[in-house]
Amino acid sequence: QSALTQPASVSGSPGQSITISCTGTSSDVAGYNYVSWYQQHPGKAPKLMIYDVSNRPSGVSNRFSGSKSGNTASLTISGLQAEDEADYYCNSYTSSSTLLFGGGTKLTVL
Amino acid sequence: QVQLQESGPGLVKPSETLSLTCTVSGGSISSGDYYWSWIRQHPGKGLEWIGYIYYSGSTYYNPSLKSRVIISLDTSKNQFSLKLNSVTAADTAVYYCARERYKRLDPWGQGTLVTVS
Repeated sequence: QSALTQPASVSGSPGQSITISCTGTSSDVAGYNYVSWYQQHPGKAPKLMIYDVSNRPSGVSNRFSGSKSGNTASLTISGLQAEDEADYYCNSYTSSSTLLFGGGTKLTVL
Repeated sequence: QVQLQESGPGLVKPSETLSLTCTVSGGSISSGDYYWSWIRQHPGKGLEWIGYIYYSGSTYYNPSLKSRVIISLDTSKNQFSLKLNSVTAADTAVYYCARERYKRLDPWGQGTLVTVS
């Protein structure tokens, strides 16, 4: 199974909004509402930011939101802050009962 | 709150077996609500899901690693383990354990670097 497709990098200025896409297939992203997003700062473990496409765990800022259309899921971060600079990974459940990550996107806050 | 901690050798020789353990505290590994997962991250690269195990012992593995991986549970110690055999330098990575529920991974352990050399 090939990794889900994410842009290698995105950037934005403080206060702006950015969107990271995550493209899969009918066997993963399009087939299930089990897309999650993880934030990873350098040297740290990943942190769950969004689950089930658009739900935020308790404690995650409402500046983070998720959506899905067909085989592409998206993570939007509004009101960018310096602390949002990190790597972001999408993940989807698959028809093989496995989990599949995206290649990751490096977010730079200018 | 549940916490996970990986442990095991940081250096493994090529062709040998990589063995790691994840100790779970603050919750029971025997709970039927969760799967217990292993994920790895090659240096400077993205995340790769390795596999998970249910309290019943059912396992699911990444097809690309399936022939070399075994994940097991030790409920008496509240631990689960990863064994990856016939390792090469390509298996050098930070290995994470995590709890999975409803297809989301949370929380994660801090990760442990394993070098194959």
